[in-house]
Amino acid sequence: NAGVTQTPKFQVLKTGQSMTLQCAQDMNHNSMYWYRQDPGMGLRLIYYSASEGTTDKGEVPNGYNVSRLNKREFSLRLESAAPSQTSVYFCASTIEILRSPGELFFGEGSRLTVL
Amino acid sequence: AQSVSQHNHHVILSEAASLELGCNYSYGGTVNLFWYVQYPGQHLQLLLKYFSGDPLVKGIKGFEAEFIKSKFSFNLRKPSVQWSDTAEYFCAVHTNAGKSTFGDGTTLTVKP
Repeated sequence: NAGVTQTPKFQVLKTGQSMTLQCAQDMNHNSMYWYRQDPGMGLRLIYYSASEGTTDKGEVPNGYNVSRLNKREFSLRLESAAPSQTSVYFCASTIEILRSPGELFFGEGSRLTVL
Repeated sequence: AQSVSQHNHHVILSEAASLELGCNYSYGGTVNLFWYVQYPGQHLQLLLKYFSGDPLVKGIKGFEAEFIKSKFSFNLRKPSVQWSDTAEYFCAVHTNAGKSTFGDGTTLTVKP
């Protein structure tokens, strides 16, 4: 089972360039998430999608856009990359349990460096 | 807004020592509680979870956590740590508002 697959695993960008991080899950989960992880700051939610066709802002959405292409795929786009977006990005998915998100299944992460 | 606070940023223990990592959350409604572990260079994976029922939950690798509703706490414990437990540990709250919030993490270093 592939679980949650993210691409690319590593990327170096120059300031102002754009790029899209791809995420796909094969577990038939309704909810998908994008987090960024920075040292000493834990995981911060960028955007999430509770179901196909819906997206909502998380804690740190500025500078990002997302697309829930279908139930399997949830992409994160940086339109004009900035050095402050240097981070490790994790995609995650889950199903609801007792009307709340259950266990999150994470991808392996995408390490992005913006010069 | 929901929030999660982990009391210790970095804990250093010797092998066989006991471990307790604190976690408090702020949210007035129903929550699902989790501890995740991240080994060096890897992604997060589930250690244990609490949805309802017995407030003392057991997870993998000998870890357990106790949910104390009155204190909004979900502390992680292990009676005897091993060198292989060296990792970063995250407490997380998933609420019926659809969001999942993580604490800042606690780095555990176990000396052999």
